[in-house]
Amino acid sequence: DQQVKQNSPSLSVQEGRISILNCDYTNSMFDYFLWYKKYPAEGPTFLISISSIKDKNEDGRFTVFLNKSAKHLSLHIVPSQPGDSAVYFCAASGTNRDDKIIFGKGTRLHILP
Amino acid sequence: DAGVIQSPRHEVTEMGQEVTLRCKPISGHNSLFWYRQTMMRGLELLIYFNNNVPIDDSGMPEDRFSAKMPNASFSTLKIQPSEPRDSAVYFCASMSGRPSGANVLTFGAGSRLTVL
Repeated sequence: DQQVKQNSPSLSVQEGRISILNCDYTNSMFDYFLWYKKYPAEGPTFLISISSIKDKNEDGRFTVFLNKSAKHLSLHIVPSQPGDSAVYFCAASGTNRDDKIIFGKGTRLHILP
Repeated sequence: DAGVIQSPRHEVTEMGQEVTLRCKPISGHNSLFWYRQTMMRGLELLIYFNNNVPIDDSGMPEDRFSAKMPNASFSTLKIQPSEPRDSAVYFCASMSGRPSGANVLTFGAGSRLTVL
């Protein structure tokens, strides 16, 4: 049973346009949601997070939106750049140290020139 | 800080052989996680430790898999005997474990395992 779902395996976006990556979750007890970015032959790196008590968090070109009623979050990248081409993982966890950190399957983003 | 160090980066072995993957977490991080990445299942949590103690190993696929953390600076993931379906990239990650706020992991570069 997947608690964190990324239903789009891949996404292609023109350079300069907005990239929107989506994530759905099933467990309403999650307290934090995170996005990680992964380049080939490297480990995932943390990108941005959002607390379940907020509906938006912004960091430069990256904004994460959370819709708790729909159990849905999205990552917006504006404007998209070639270096944004990577696999993006959505993750969720509680705040306790013993809480699991659950990842989705990832979405591969291609930024087209 | 050298980050999370994993070895070997690549391992090719034959079915039935024992495989040992190693991880050195970031100094001062007291939580350590082992994940496996496959195309079908994405990033799966296998096991994690807090202060060298295994907290949850429910993600370990079967008894052929075992993990240890004998001290704060070293962990191993062992597969014995290995099977072709174990082929994947295995990631180790560590975390400082904040009392509040998002639990942010720092990942190693991964160990790509191929079992023939």
